[in-house]
Amino acid sequence: GENVEQHPSTLSVQEGDSAVIKCTYSDSASNYFPWYKQELGKRPQLIIDIRSNVGEKKDQRIAVTLNKTAKHFSLHITETQPEDSAVYFCAAPSNAGGTSYGKLTFGQGTILTVHP
Amino acid sequence: DTEVTQTPKHLVMGMTNKKSLKCEQHMGHRAMYWYKQKAKKPPELMFVYSYEKLSINESVPSRFSPECPNSSLLNLHLHALQPEDSALYLCASSSVTGVWTEAFFGQGTRLTVV
Repeated sequence: GENVEQHPSTLSVQEGDSAVIKCTYSDSASNYFPWYKQELGKRPQLIIDIRSNVGEKKDQRIAVTLNKTAKHFSLHITETQPEDSAVYFCAAPSNAGGTSYGKLTFGQGTILTVHP
Repeated sequence: DTEVTQTPKHLVMGMTNKKSLKCEQHMGHRAMYWYKQKAKKPPELMFVYSYEKLSINESVPSRFSPECPNSSLLNLHLHALQPEDSALYLCASSSVTGVWTEAFFGQGTRLTVV
């Protein structure tokens, strides 16, 4: 099965700084890598995702990069704001080959705190 | 409508009770999921349904019994739970296409077993 490791477990930055969260995965067949943001007491919500045929994807202040060879992907948040404070989870599908749904294995999460 | 709706939001039950969690989506998604999330931990998959049939059971104890009565509804029947089963139970759904797509999560049911 898939194993996803996420670092760091906590990250504290000043408003306006950049934040980077890194994940590694074990299954070379994995082809979809979502990032979810979960605010306290709320549901996980997708903020960005990337497929294995793309090396980088941006959406305003958020970007994700993927290195298939090294089997790692990273979330980059620029110009951080206090409302970015939340827990961020990376994920990768288990047994992705030949399917388009099923088990997502999540990283352990990163608690991001943005200080005003 | 991009909502997954779960009821109830909170549930307290005794170890001898039987209760059910409900989940509903109207996005036409044919894959539906139950996840369990403990405090400060990531969601852990319990069950996956595709086209109303159980396709993945992550070795979940039989005191948890899922049901998918139609393409919009997903239930989780609970019986004889233990205090360690207290957690946030998240329902999710996604489309079944040729590529992986976003899984939409409900707001969860916070379950306390006493």
